[in-house]
Amino acid sequence: EAQVTQNPRYLITVTGKKLTVTCSQNMNHEYMSWYRQDPGLGLRQIYYSMNVEVTDKGDVPEGYKVSRKEKRNFPLILESPSPNQTSLYFCASRISGGTYEQYFGPGTRLTVT
Amino acid sequence: AQSVTQPDIHITVSEGASLELRCNYSYGATPYLFWYVQSPGQGLQLLLKYFSGDTLVQGIKGFEAEFKRSQSSFNLRKPSVHWSDAAEYFCAVGVNQAGTALIFGKGTTLSVSS
Repeated sequence: EAQVTQNPRYLITVTGKKLTVTCSQNMNHEYMSWYRQDPGLGLRQIYYSMNVEVTDKGDVPEGYKVSRKEKRNFPLILESPSPNQTSLYFCASRISGGTYEQYFGPGTRLTVT
Repeated sequence: AQSVTQPDIHITVSEGASLELRCNYSYGATPYLFWYVQSPGQGLQLLLKYFSGDTLVQGIKGFEAEFKRSQSSFNLRKPSVHWSDAAEYFCAVGVNQAGTALIFGKGTTLSVSS
């Protein structure tokens, strides 16, 4: 089954404790991205990757890092999480070019206390 | 700058009544347009999409949307709402800009009353 998976689905952590949210897709998509969803703000892009070893900032990159060492994986790293990073995070992927249709993972709900 | 506006933050519709959710976009070129639905506690599911051709597009779950270039709109409709349609709905535009491939509206929450 074609899908985007994320782990963990739920995470509660404390301020300053480094964490990684994994994202993996099995559709051989070149493009992957991370969004955060906050009430009243919709989805905002954090980082994206056009292909392996090619990453760039989205609209709200502060406090986040990413890496793309393999085509299928695109982890999101929070090296020193803060309470304002409490949010619902979505990973997405799509083929390059085309119609921009993205396939979304199930989401990761992160709470930073 | 490209943007998507969903004017209605929250809408309540009676079960069996018709529904229209509004979406306006700002984008200079021909847009790729999408509607996604997010049920409580769930991820995003694609309802329908418009790329070109017929301006009235059909989606899943009985939804349809009409692209009106002159009004820069892509409104979502359903003739008869079911209680299971209660969810948050997001309109999005695909832009030809490195990275920002999808720009989302802020969403409309649909409640269904019995």
